[in-house]
Amino acid sequence: DVKVTQSSRYLVKRTGEKVFLECVQDMDHENMFWYRQDPGLGLRLIYFSYDVKMKEKGDIPEGYSVSREKKERFSLILESASTNQTSMYLCASSFGYYSNQPQHFGDGTRLSIL
Amino acid sequence: SQQGEEDPQALSIQEGENATMNCSYKTSINNLQWYRQNSGRGLVHLILIRSNEREKHSGRLRVTLDTSKKSSSLLITASRAADTASYFCATAGGGSEKLVFGKGMKLTVNP
Repeated sequence: DVKVTQSSRYLVKRTGEKVFLECVQDMDHENMFWYRQDPGLGLRLIYFSYDVKMKEKGDIPEGYSVSREKKERFSLILESASTNQTSMYLCASSFGYYSNQPQHFGDGTRLSIL
Repeated sequence: SQQGEEDPQALSIQEGENATMNCSYKTSINNLQWYRQNSGRGLVHLILIRSNEREKHSGRLRVTLDTSKKSSSLLITASRAADTASYFCATAGGGSEKLVFGKGMKLTVNP
């Protein structure tokens, strides 16, 4: 089974801090994704990556950046955390052409910015 | 928008009954996927159906796709309390290369 592991289930940070969310997958998938999930808004794509060092903006990239130095690891960075970034963050991975294959999700990181 | 929209937004049934959830979308698609999310967890992929397919089965799950009506349905037969979760449809295609998720619908199966 594919395993996608997010480094923290719960995280509390302060406004203005630089925050790192880490995600690791163990299936050699080419594609990795970061979403945020908010009540009433569903899942919204922040960034995705289809190869090492490659990244593409999703629908809501503002205030975020990403890093993919190794194939198995995809990091989401909140450059200067703000309260409106309090949310559930979900990482996912898939192989092949990224819209034609199932995505495998981690259990999420519930991030609170105080 | 390509985003799928699930209907109903919430459904409550008794164990053993069938549950039907619908998804409508607005543009052409390459495929449509259904996911389940248990409370506080990540999404789990259930079924992917391609635009040239009309029906797929997986265990107690049956998915249909009607591209002329731009709609899909997910049927869970003989529901169990463990089926209690949120269900999402996601669409791919229509000029966008990204998978776009609907807002989800909540299924409660009462024991």
